[in-house]
Amino acid sequence: NAGVTQTPKFQVLKTGQSMTLQCAQDMNHEYMSWYRQDPGMGLRLIHYSVGAGITDQGEVPNGYNVSRSTTEDFPLRLLSAAPSQTSVYFCASSYEASDRPYEQYFGPGTRLTVT
Amino acid sequence: KQEVTQIPAALSVPEGENLVLNCSFTDSAIYNLQWFRQDPGKGLTSLLLIQSSQREQTSGRLNASLDKSSGRSTLYIAASQPGDSATYLCPHFSGGYNKLIFGAGTRLAVHP
Repeated sequence: NAGVTQTPKFQVLKTGQSMTLQCAQDMNHEYMSWYRQDPGMGLRLIHYSVGAGITDQGEVPNGYNVSRSTTEDFPLRLLSAAPSQTSVYFCASSYEASDRPYEQYFGPGTRLTVT
Repeated sequence: KQEVTQIPAALSVPEGENLVLNCSFTDSAIYNLQWFRQDPGKGLTSLLLIQSSQREQTSGRLNASLDKSSGRSTLYIAASQPGDSATYLCPHFSGGYNKLIFGAGTRLAVHP
């Protein structure tokens, strides 16, 4: 299993540009989430999904859209990038396993800079 | 608002010391507790998972305990090594929906 993969690893955007951060997992996990990490701060939840077709907002959802059409993929869209969205973005997944329920798996992150 | 407080915020020690990292939660409704480490510029690496029915978990030189009644968790690192240098995280998880609440972490530096 590849686990949780994220692409791209690095991205530089100009203010106002749009882009999609990709997240995929091959573990058939029902739960997926996006977090952002700013310097000196803890990770903060942006959006999460409890299954294909079901998403909801986290703590800092403004400026981001998500959808989940398949179990494997959970892309994060920035519609109009702003410098305040400069951050490192992490995707995570888990499932309600019987042996290790809700164990969290994180992707390697995408480092985004908006100029 | 749920918060996670990690104490100390930073720690610098010579190698060989036994260390204690503390985590406390304003919400004591904890389903399970997973400790992570994060190396600079890297992602999160899972260290230990204390499941709902457990009170502690051990892996090598690491031992983590969880007291749900007080909303506290402690990570013990025995005989610290320079390779242990990282930021340690203990997000709050109350079950379902993959919603974790993170604190700022404990930044550990172990010098030779």
